[in-house]
Amino acid sequence: RKEVEQDPGPFNVPEGATVAFNCTYSNSASQSFFWYRQDCRKEPKLLMSVYSSGNEDGRFTAQLNRASQYISLLIRDSKLSDSATYLCVDLSSGGSYIPTFGRGTSLIVHP
Amino acid sequence: EAQVTQNPRYLITVTGKKLTVTCSQNMNHEYMSWYRQDPGLGLRQIYYSMNVEVTDKGDVPEGYKVSRKEKRNFPLILESPSPNQTSLYFCASSFGPGGQETQYFGPGTRLLVL
Repeated sequence: RKEVEQDPGPFNVPEGATVAFNCTYSNSASQSFFWYRQDCRKEPKLLMSVYSSGNEDGRFTAQLNRASQYISLLIRDSKLSDSATYLCVDLSSGGSYIPTFGRGTSLIVHP
Repeated sequence: EAQVTQNPRYLITVTGKKLTVTCSQNMNHEYMSWYRQDPGLGLRQIYYSMNVEVTDKGDVPEGYKVSRKEKRNFPLILESPSPNQTSLYFCASSFGPGGQETQYFGPGTRLLVL
């Protein structure tokens, strides 16, 4: 059974800080990963895809490390509005279509 | 506006009283799924549907039923709800299976079973 593990946090950082989260996955054959953002008890929303070559979108950078089986999310110049829970997702099918979500990492950005 | 809608958003019921949570999407997506989210457990998939009349179990299907008679609708049915089904439920849809396509989530349904 696929497993995805995340440090629940919370990560408590000041505005402007750089913060990074990791997410480890158990299925070495997995190839498709995403980061979602979820505000308090609201629906998850896609933040970004995770590609083998890395993926950057403004202040956000996602990377995949296959050798160590983890994905990472780096947030630069943190804003108060970045406060949320960040979910990593292993979407690899492996014959089924059941995404595996991590439990989420909580980020709190304070003034 | 592209969206996934769920109804009701909040529901309090009693053990054993059948209920249905509706889910509808207006994006012509083929793939739809239901999740439940519980503190400390994250999102877990209940059922998914690849297309009309094609449904399959997710990780935690016990106590739930689904149907997919139309492409846009994917209702979740609890025939005999129990207190352990108290949870936050999300419906999601995407063009293809979750492995290739971004999923769009509905706003969630908070269910309390007494």
